[in-house]
Amino acid sequence: SQTIHQWPATLVQPVGSPLSLECTVEGTSNPNLYWYRQAAGRGLQLLFYSVGIGQISSEVPQNLSASRPQDRQFILSSKKLLLSDSGFYLCAWSVGLRPGNEQFFGPGTRLTVL
Amino acid sequence: AQKITQTQPGMFVQEKEAVTLDCTYDTSDQSYGLFWYKQPSSGEMIFLIYQGSYDEQNATEGRYSLNFQKARKSANLVISASQLGDSAMYFCAMRDAGGTSYGKLTFGQGTILTVHP
Repeated sequence: SQTIHQWPATLVQPVGSPLSLECTVEGTSNPNLYWYRQAAGRGLQLLFYSVGIGQISSEVPQNLSASRPQDRQFILSSKKLLLSDSGFYLCAWSVGLRPGNEQFFGPGTRLTVL
Repeated sequence: AQKITQTQPGMFVQEKEAVTLDCTYDTSDQSYGLFWYKQPSSGEMIFLIYQGSYDEQNATEGRYSLNFQKARKSANLVISASQLGDSAMYFCAMRDAGGTSYGKLTFGQGTILTVHP
């Protein structure tokens, strides 16, 4: 069966520090991968998505970046964190691009920037 | 651009009663999918139910059913026989066909459901 992992589960970082969040998927090949951010009590905002190794599309301008060094690995990074980067970060995967292909979410990383 | 609107920030229901969570959407696509996810306080996103734009029957999954009214562009979630464990945030989401959008999900702002004993 397929599983998706995210780490760390929680993170507290000072403003201006770097960031690296990792997401890995097991049990499937060539998944579409997505990074979402959720502010407290709000909906999910899509940050990045990838349909293949090395292919990254950005949805919103920001100081975050994403990379996909391997088929089932998706990394979210920042060189210098801002207070506004605080939030709950969710990684998701799907297979196929048809409307009925649901996305499966990881457990999330709760990031607090102080 | 796609848009999902959930107009109910919070809803309350008595245990064992039914509750309807509203969702309206806006898209110019003919082929799209509508999803409902549940997010408990732990933060995980749990898939509940899916409705395709060409599906003629309303989707059902156990106690969950989707009241799909295409002409009105609404996809309301109905939870029957509410349980205390149903207390959570509920998100409506839409996914259009592939192409340049790559099947991205657009989410509404969510509705917090509280089930009272």
